[in-house]
Amino acid sequence: NAGVTQTPKFQVLKTGQSMTLQCAQDMNHEYMSWYRQDPGMGLRLIHYSVGAGITDQGEVPNGYNVSRSTTEDFPLRLLSAAPSQTSVYFCASSPDRVGGNQPQHFGDGTRLSIL
Amino acid sequence: GESVGLHLPTLSVQEGDNSIINCAYSNSASDYFIWYKQESGKGPQFIIDIRSNMDKRQGQRVTVLLNKTVKHLSLQIAATQPGDSAVYFCAESGIRGSTLGRLYFGRGTQLTVWP
Repeated sequence: NAGVTQTPKFQVLKTGQSMTLQCAQDMNHEYMSWYRQDPGMGLRLIHYSVGAGITDQGEVPNGYNVSRSTTEDFPLRLLSAAPSQTSVYFCASSPDRVGGNQPQHFGDGTRLSIL
Repeated sequence: GESVGLHLPTLSVQEGDNSIINCAYSNSASDYFIWYKQESGKGPQFIIDIRSNMDKRQGQRVTVLLNKTVKHLSLQIAATQPGDSAVYFCAESGIRGSTLGRLYFGRGTQLTVWP
């Protein structure tokens, strides 16, 4: 049972480039989410989804897009990378459709640097 | 404003001692609380959770205490071991206006265990 799998683990981009961070879970969880973690700060919610075909914005959505075509996958797209998006990105899932009543299971993160 | 924060950014303890990590929250409507452990280079790992209808919950070597009167949460680790060295995050959720219970994370406490 792999849990939450994120790819790639590391990525370096140039300003203005676009890319997609992949997230997949094999636990049939309804709720999936993307967070970013910056030094000295807690995790901040970027986007989340309560099921296939349904997505919504979190606290810091600007510059990111998401889609949820299947229960298993929740990719995060950076449209035009900026140095301020240098961060560690975590994907999480939860069996709880609301996302705040049961533990969320996290992947090991993607470390992204924007030059 | 609403916040979830920790009283101390770092905590150093000797192996075998008990550790207490504290967390304050400001949203009186918070009804679910959770502690995560994050080791270097890994994603947050669920430790223990507690709902607002409880004051205390125990796990294996860990205890979470909730004081709703002063909006305070603590994590106690018994007989702390070197493997407990990590960053510990508290998170909480509860209805905020029209927003259902997403998790909101504090900034984390770095626990270092000395042999």
